[in-house]
Amino acid sequence: RKEVEQDPGPFNVPEGATVAFNCTYSNSASQSFFWYRQDCRKEPKLLMSVYSSGNEDGRFTAQLNRASQYISLLIRDSKLSDSATYLCVVTSGYSTLTFGKGTMLLVSP
Amino acid sequence: DAGVIQSPRHEVTEMGQEVTLRCKPISGHDYLFWYRQTMMRGLELLIYFNNNVPIDDSGMPEDRFSAKMPNASFSTLKIQPSEPRDSAVYFCASRDRVAYNSPLHFGNGTRLTVT
Repeated sequence: RKEVEQDPGPFNVPEGATVAFNCTYSNSASQSFFWYRQDCRKEPKLLMSVYSSGNEDGRFTAQLNRASQYISLLIRDSKLSDSATYLCVVTSGYSTLTFGKGTMLLVSP
Repeated sequence: DAGVIQSPRHEVTEMGQEVTLRCKPISGHDYLFWYRQTMMRGLELLIYFNNNVPIDDSGMPEDRFSAKMPNASFSTLKIQPSEPRDSAVYFCASRDRVAYNSPLHFGNGTRLTVT
């Protein structure tokens, strides 16, 4: 099993739709979780951290399920500008962060 | 803060040539990471430093790759000799030591093409 797995997509959704991505991880001792966003030919940028109780940042909601070892990202009211690749990131030690290959989201008018 | 600064942005070289990639981390960040990104493999960790000391270089593909961090504000990743399969985007990232859940901050990356 890969350390961090994501559905590569693409997820094609119309503007205003709600879309959700999941990410599974293999190391049950993982401590920290993040979602990063990467635009085409750009560097990854932090979208949000994922907390044990779940957290929300505007239209974005992140959830953690330790029992099933997955995290999720929900995007409400999708915008054209949300089109990007979303990377799931898991810490496998104090310092090392492991990235999934990403899920591509395409939001169309 | 200027963020993580990488140079060059693009590098095109011929097989067999030496390539040197440079990185300046965010001031005060104790951890520096080198990643490589390709379509096939995604983001792969090559090596990381803590307080200028290499901690884990298990991701470095072969002896042709080497990395140094002579001081807290500068790191290099060198490929010698380069090969076409080294073509990728190389990212440098830094992270502070305050908390285990502190995020990575990436530079703009160096797009390397080896012909």
